[in-house]
Amino acid sequence: EPEVTQTPSHQVTQMGQEVILRCVPISNHLYFYWYRQILGQKVEFLVSFYNNEISEKSEIFDDQFSVERPDGSNFTLKIRSTKLEDSAMYFCASSNEGTYGYTFGSGTRLTVV
Amino acid sequence: AQTVTQSQPEMSVQEAETVTLSCTYDTSESDYYLFWYKQPPSRQMILVIRQEAYKQQNATENRFSVNFQKAAKSFSLKISDSQLGDAAMYFCAFLAGGTSYGKLTFGQGTILTVHP
Repeated sequence: EPEVTQTPSHQVTQMGQEVILRCVPISNHLYFYWYRQILGQKVEFLVSFYNNEISEKSEIFDDQFSVERPDGSNFTLKIRSTKLEDSAMYFCASSNEGTYGYTFGSGTRLTVV
Repeated sequence: AQTVTQSQPEMSVQEAETVTLSCTYDTSESDYYLFWYKQPPSRQMILVIRQEAYKQQNATENRFSVNFQKAAKSFSLKISDSQLGDAAMYFCAFLAGGTSYGKLTFGQGTILTVHP
């Protein structure tokens, strides 16, 4: 069964550093998403991406964040100047038709120290 | 804006028994979709079941079924013949219709423990 692949599974970074979280969505999917889950809290929407541009973003997704699809397969989330409160699990997801549900990756656990 | 509420932080069930997880939501949308996702200790989010709001018939997927009460804005998940592998965090999620790429709004989650 096709999978959404995320790398790395765990990343530790110093506060103020930039990180790039990587995702390979399912190949024939058209829509891509990032969600995050702070430990013990609910899963929150960050951004959706379609046709090489952002479709929707949440209040969380401020100028510190950016997304990119640099080639035909990867979908990245960049966090500039990380803060302690950015520590969370970040999930990538993709869909062809979102009303059928998304396929999520296994997540990247980001720890900012 | 939509809200999703799961009022049961934790539930437990004996293996082979049945358990029901509750979810309520609030929306002004008429076209929407509801989902239950399972998050095992591996942390991956796995789609369990999906319900279209325009369908009166409750969705079922093997041992998983929902009780969708549109007027009450309630969407509960019933797990029959519970198995040890069902132990996980379960999230209820809402998706507004009208687009193919809308954002999911999640509830707070319910931790399900299955006792052998």
